[in-house]
Amino acid sequence: DAGVIQSPRHEVTEMGQEVTLRCKPISGHDYLFWYRQTMMRGLELLIYFNNNVPIDDSGMPEDRFSAKMPNASFSTLKIQPSEPRDSAVYFCASSFRAGKYTQYFGPGTRLTVL
Amino acid sequence: AQTVTQSQPEMSVQEAETVTLSCTYDTSESDYYLFWYKQPPSRQMILVIRQEAYKQQNATENRFSVNFQKAAKSFSLKISDSQLGDAAMYFCAYRSDPQGGSEKLVFGKGTKLTVNP
Repeated sequence: DAGVIQSPRHEVTEMGQEVTLRCKPISGHDYLFWYRQTMMRGLELLIYFNNNVPIDDSGMPEDRFSAKMPNASFSTLKIQPSEPRDSAVYFCASSFRAGKYTQYFGPGTRLTVL
Repeated sequence: AQTVTQSQPEMSVQEAETVTLSCTYDTSESDYYLFWYKQPPSRQMILVIRQEAYKQQNATENRFSVNFQKAAKSFSLKISDSQLGDAAMYFCAYRSDPQGGSEKLVFGKGTKLTVNP
């Protein structure tokens, strides 16, 4: 079975540009999570969805960040406009209740904002 | 809010020997899950082992085992017969009460493990 798929793997952009990160969860999983990893703050949850509905977005840093899940097999995390402090590795993870809540992570997207 | 503390920023071990990574957590809940994830230089987050708080028996996965001390809120990871491929960052993570808590994982800051040949 394919794992969680994220694209792109690397993204370099200039301050002020829009950035869109993409995620395809494991088939059959009903939870999807977006995490951000930085040296200063470690791994922190940004938002998570259950059955395509956002449940907790309290970790989204500000209005520049938005996330959508239009269907069970696709989610996006958008940053508009991007800033240098958004530079980080962004992980998508998925899980399903019957799987005892174990989250499986994608390979991450390394974002660099110049 | 729950917190997870990994007090060892870095550890090293000789190949074939045993090493223990420490993790403590703070919670008022009685039921929860605990995890250890491994992050090698490729940055992929890989699940190593999982422990349900209601289970008294410590989880094991091949060379990896945990020492779960619920009263002490301690969850250490033991790696036996260490291999070069075990070199990575190791993260301890907490997941809240399955019956009503948040689904999110709360991570510690990580421990960087070096394996010396």
